[in-house]
Amino acid sequence: DGGITQSPKYLFRKEGQNVTLSCEQNLNHDAMYWYRQDPGQGLRLIYYSQIVNDFQKGDIAEGYSVSREKKESFPLTVTSAQKNPTAFYLCASRDRGPGEQFFGPGTRLTVL
Amino acid sequence: GENVEQHPSTLSVQEGDSAVIKCTYSDSASNYFPWYKQELGKGPQLIIDIRSNVGEKKDQRIAVTLNKTAKHFSLHITETQPEDSAVYFCAATVSGSARQLTFGSGTQLTVLP
Repeated sequence: DGGITQSPKYLFRKEGQNVTLSCEQNLNHDAMYWYRQDPGQGLRLIYYSQIVNDFQKGDIAEGYSVSREKKESFPLTVTSAQKNPTAFYLCASRDRGPGEQFFGPGTRLTVL
Repeated sequence: GENVEQHPSTLSVQEGDSAVIKCTYSDSASNYFPWYKQELGKGPQLIIDIRSNVGEKKDQRIAVTLNKTAKHFSLHITETQPEDSAVYFCAATVSGSARQLTFGSGTQLTVLP
């Protein structure tokens, strides 16, 4: 099956800890994205990557970091500098040609 | 940059009735307009999209219309069912470009049995 996987589905961390969220796609898409969604809110772009070894900040990049060492993987690290990290995190990938963007199932991060 | 406004923010309909969600965009260069459905606790799912070379597209009970002149597009759901209850997002971008999707703020649709 082709698609986007995110792990884990639920993640708990203590304040002051860094945590890394996984995102993998086997759609052969060039572009990948990370969004944050707060309860009852829309999607806010954290980081995106158009090609391997290149990525750009989105609207709310502070306190987050990413890497894109492989086409199929785009992990997101939530650092201790992120003041309010509790949220639902969504990864997406996009086909450059037709432009359709597909989302993964999401990771719900809770800071205790 | 692009700005997408979506209305209404909440919508309740009786089962079997129709639902309409409207979005406006600001950038006349945008030519690709997808709609996503997000069920509680899940990632958004692409349900239908339209490109600016057509004015309407249908897929069973779902249709999208596009008015390029007025820069607005709408999602129409007919014969609504309880499983249509979800949050719906519209978006806009320039297809094939590096430009990111700009999303609307979402509409919570509730279909009452």
